[in-house]
Amino acid sequence: EVQLVQSGAEVKKPGESLRISCKGSGYSFTSYWITWVRQMPGKGLEWMGRIDPSDSYISYSPSFQGHVSISTDKSISTAYLQWNSLKASDTAMYYCARHRCSSASCENWFDPWGQGTLVTVSS
Amino acid sequence: EIVLTQSPDFQSVTPKEKVTITCRASQSIGSNLHWYQQKPDQPPRLLIKYASQSFSGVPSRFSGSGSGTDFILTINSLEAEDAATYYCHQSSSSPHTFGGGTKVEIK
Repeated sequence: EVQLVQSGAEVKKPGESLRISCKGSGYSFTSYWITWVRQMPGKGLEWMGRIDPSDSYISYSPSFQGHVSISTDKSISTAYLQWNSLKASDTAMYYCARHRCSSASCENWFDPWGQGTLVTVSS
Repeated sequence: EIVLTQSPDFQSVTPKEKVTITCRASQSIGSNLHWYQQKPDQPPRLLIKYASQSFSGVPSRFSGSGSGTDFILTINSLEAEDAATYYCHQSSSSPHTFGGGTKVEIK
């Protein structure tokens, strides 16, 4: 079964750093990109960026560029989303999801999704 | 950035009724439009890929149509379990974007 399993909920203070993870299983991790999506409380979905685990190429949404970092450790089939200095406005649910698009095969929809990681930033 | 505008924002529907949700793109995106269902406290679930292709395991009452800038998600004969928020998503150009969502409530 193809699965993405995310790390658990986090409660942090403003200014603290954080890294959350997304571990893929049941497929070749380097054959698909991992995308990150934010959902603020009671709001819609926002695409943050994606990484290609095969070469670590990253594409960020302009809305999130410079505020978060996306990385991957393909040796353990895991992608990461990181903040150096959290703000209260980073409070949200964060999802990872799988997709890919190349000249050979374009499956640029998001499936499956991880279960989500709730990040709460409060003083 | 391509903006996706969904309508309506909210719909209250009786079981067995037909539901139609529209998604309009700010510029042509071909068929690079996908639909998701999200229930409370769950991640989104893919329903339709590339505008009209049903995804594996999705009930046949869900269907999609459209191309270019105008797209429709149709739920034929709504069931109680279809109460959820529905989102469209374009993958035509970066950044990927989502519609604002349509919440479907069962009367």
